[in-house]
Amino acid sequence: NAGVTQTPKFQVLKTGQSMTLQCAQDMNHEYMSWYRQDPGMGLRLIHYSVGAGITDQGEVPNGYNVSRSTTEDFPLRLLSAAPSQTSVYFCASSSFQRYTEAFFGQGTRLTVV
Amino acid sequence: KQEVTQIPAALSVPEGENLVLNCSFTDSAIYNLQWFRQDPGKGLTSLLLIQSSQREQTSGRLNASLDKSSGRSTLYIAASQPGDSATYLCAPLEGDDKIIFGKGTRLHILP
Repeated sequence: NAGVTQTPKFQVLKTGQSMTLQCAQDMNHEYMSWYRQDPGMGLRLIHYSVGAGITDQGEVPNGYNVSRSTTEDFPLRLLSAAPSQTSVYFCASSSFQRYTEAFFGQGTRLTVV
Repeated sequence: KQEVTQIPAALSVPEGENLVLNCSFTDSAIYNLQWFRQDPGKGLTSLLLIQSSQREQTSGRLNASLDKSSGRSTLYIAASQPGDSATYLCAPLEGDDKIIFGKGTRLHILP
């Protein structure tokens, strides 16, 4: 009963490096999303997906790419990391979010130096 | 653009008190509203989900109300306990399927 699994839990990157944050869910949920959480800013939506093959932008999409090739996985890619992307990243999923609750992963703490 | 405001930003109360956390949102065209709990260094846990057609939802010592037309929701916690200490987040689901979060209320229950 894993729920939403995010890897890695912690990561330090140098400016300009690229990396992928992984998110996987085993609940067959259609809806998945990525948020970043910063002190004083709250949680802000980066990208979301309402099903395999479908993605859309949230409030703060610049500097991030996503794809949804399977129902289970929704990776978030940073193509060229910047210090402004230092944050805690959360992945969430729900079965049909107009009627059901959202489940969150434990987060990935990313530091860009 | 939906804006979600939570008042107060922080709250400290003695154990056993009943308390109310407030949430307001600017766009009433929502499908539902969730209240989440976040412990330090952890992810979010959904506490209650209220559909736009509902007025309130209860789970144990928690009761959430929704007044969609006025853009307000409250979370009532009865007989507070030290284990209730956490940050509580309000999050309406917009018509374009985006969940928008408030900045939260940081709650500390004093033993």
